Amino acid sequence: DIQMTQSPSSVSASVGDRVTITCRASQGISSWLAWYQQKPGKAPKLLIYAASSLQSGVPSRFSGSGSGTDFTLTISSLQPEDFATYYCQQANSFPRLTFGGGTKVEIK
Amino acid sequence: QLQLQESGPGLVKPSETLSLTCTVSGGSISSSSYYWGWIRQPPGKGLEWIGSIYYSGSTYYNPSLKSRVTISVDTSKNQFSLKLSSVTAADTAVYYCASSGYSRRDLDYWGQGTLVTVSS
Repeated sequence: DIQMTQSPSSVSASVGDRVTITCRASQGISSWLAWYQQKPGKAPKLLIYAASSLQSGVPSRFSGSGSGTDFTLTISSLQPEDFATYYCQQANSFPRLTFGGGTKVEIK
Repeated sequence: QLQLQESGPGLVKPSETLSLTCTVSGGSISSSSYYWGWIRQPPGKGLEWIGSIYYSGSTYYNPSLKSRVTISVDTSKNQFSLKLSSVTAADTAVYYCASSGYSRRDLDYWGQGTLVTVSS
């Protein structure tokens, strides 16, 4: 089974900061990686698919990069509505899926 | 645009079977473009993929739950269902249904989630 490891598990940042979250796969997954944002009490929301493609309606301050085993989600200028938990998800073994453990972005 | 809605009991007794249904609207569950999945999230914890089904009935399960999980599809009702047997308190979670597109392999549409508590 493919394991997904996210880091850090939490990050404190201020509005306007650049935030980077990393996701590492236990084996190569090509570009089959998605990123989600989840706010308390809500379902996850798709941000990025295929490692670097921005989902329709998602602000351009969100970007994704990487391929193989190492991936990054970057928020270029953190906004108040971006404080949430972020998850990566591999789909190389689709339709079998695996999520990372999550990264909580908190207010500094 | 697809809409998904989970339904089922919010309280299940230990050792019994958890049963949930996801109703799909805004599109056909028989679409060849989608797989239909269940994901859960224990309180305060991360997301766990439970399993997925194709409209043909082909199923794929998380190995850690495979012995207890059954996912089925009812194309006439545009619904798919989850059964999880022999539940314990560790199965207490918010359960989500979601669609995953065959070409992009992401989870693009989600239900709002339903909390299932396992307790006597």
